[in-house]
Amino acid sequence: QKEVEQDPGPLSVPEGAIVSLNCTYSNSAFQYFMWYRQYSRKGPELLMYTYSSGNKEDGRFTAQVDKSSKYISLFIRDSQPSDSATYLCAMRSNAGGTSYGKLTFGQGTILTVHP
Amino acid sequence: EAGVAQSPRYKIIEKRQSVAFWCNPISGHATLYWYQQILGQGPKLLIQFQNNGVVDDSQLPKDRFSAERLKGVDSTLKIQPAKLEDSAVYLCASSLARFSGGAWGQYFGPGTRLTVL
Repeated sequence: QKEVEQDPGPLSVPEGAIVSLNCTYSNSAFQYFMWYRQYSRKGPELLMYTYSSGNKEDGRFTAQVDKSSKYISLFIRDSQPSDSATYLCAMRSNAGGTSYGKLTFGQGTILTVHP
Repeated sequence: EAGVAQSPRYKIIEKRQSVAFWCNPISGHATLYWYQQILGQGPKLLIQFQNNGVVDDSQLPKDRFSAERLKGVDSTLKIQPAKLEDSAVYLCASSLARFSGGAWGQYFGPGTRLTVL
């Protein structure tokens, strides 16, 4: 079983739709949760990050973490064609040693927002 | 602020040949990472440097992959000899430190797309 599971999609929605992207994980030591956006032929860029459980909102984006269910979500409101990209969830634990700072990524969800 | 620079952007080689990738991190970033991203998958960490010391290379195939970070700035990743399954995008990332507080996401370069024929 992979440590982080993410539905690869692809997901295609009309402009203005609400998009929900999700990841599940198995490692209960994960404390930091991130969402990266990756445009075609570009490196990933950090979109949102949260620590432990709860919600965080930034403009049209909301990140949710439910540690009891080992489940995280990213919601995009009023989606735009410019949101078309691959979205990667990433996580890391607070454990020390050589794994300190190591990110574990999901496989990414390909999102297309069509006009 | 300049981002993470990588070169070359694309490389096509025959199997059993060798190849090297170069990375220049964001100025002042002490931690540097090399990732392998196979098509349709998320990035997988190969090696992590703190300044010029290796802190995690547990997923680096050491029989064919090597990496160095001289003087704690630029880094090179080498594959020798390459196999077909090494075809992937090789991403370099950097961060202020292994744990950097508020802006502690890792900043990624554009990657080098390697095709092994």
